[in-house]
Amino acid sequence: EVQLVESGGGLVQPGRSLRLSCAASGFTFDDYAMHWVRQAPGKGLEWVSGISWNSDNVAYGDSVKGRFTISRDNARNSLYLQMNSLRPEDTALYYCAKDTSTGTYYFYGMDVWGQGTTVTVSS
Amino acid sequence: VVTQEPSLTVSPGGTVTLTCGSSTGAVTSGHYPYWFQQKPGQAPRTLIYQTSKKYSWTPARFSGSVLGGKAALTLSGAQPEDEAEYYCLVSYSNSVVFGGGTKLTVL
Repeated sequence: EVQLVESGGGLVQPGRSLRLSCAASGFTFDDYAMHWVRQAPGKGLEWVSGISWNSDNVAYGDSVKGRFTISRDNARNSLYLQMNSLRPEDTALYYCAKDTSTGTYYFYGMDVWGQGTTVTVSS
Repeated sequence: VVTQEPSLTVSPGGTVTLTCGSSTGAVTSGHYPYWFQQKPGQAPRTLIYQTSKKYSWTPARFSGSVLGGKAALTLSGAQPEDEAEYYCLVSYSNSVVFGGGTKLTVL
């Protein structure tokens, strides 16, 4: 069974850092690009970041550029999101998601989603 | 900006089309549009990928297309369980953008 399990969320003060993790199983992790997508309370989906299968290509949404860093460890079947200089508007449920296409440089879209981990930024 | 109807209503058994446009121009198959369904308290579920392709879990009553410069999701024979929020996604080479979502009511 294909599965993505996020962890690392929590309550953090503005300006501090947090690192999210996503453990993947049930598929060949290093074949696929991966994404982080977030959803603020009562709001829609927002693409945060993507990383290609071999980490050659990383990209970010405008709202997190320069503050967040995506990475992956293919040996550990894991995806990460390092979040620095957190702001109250970063409060959201953060989803890890698998891209549809294999071995590509660019991003297409998501086919498998985790259940998410909640990040709350508040003093 | 990727635009969707904020809300739509369909009668049980009826047909409805949700659309997904772009402020920068026409949405084409080259933008590889995706469609997701999200019910309250649940993670999104992918229904349609790359314009019109379906997964094994996609009900046959859902179909995707590109029509008049927009991506479209058509639901034929709506069921009460189809009431949900629907999001489209468009690919712009090195980024992807979600639409704002359409709240579909089956009533």
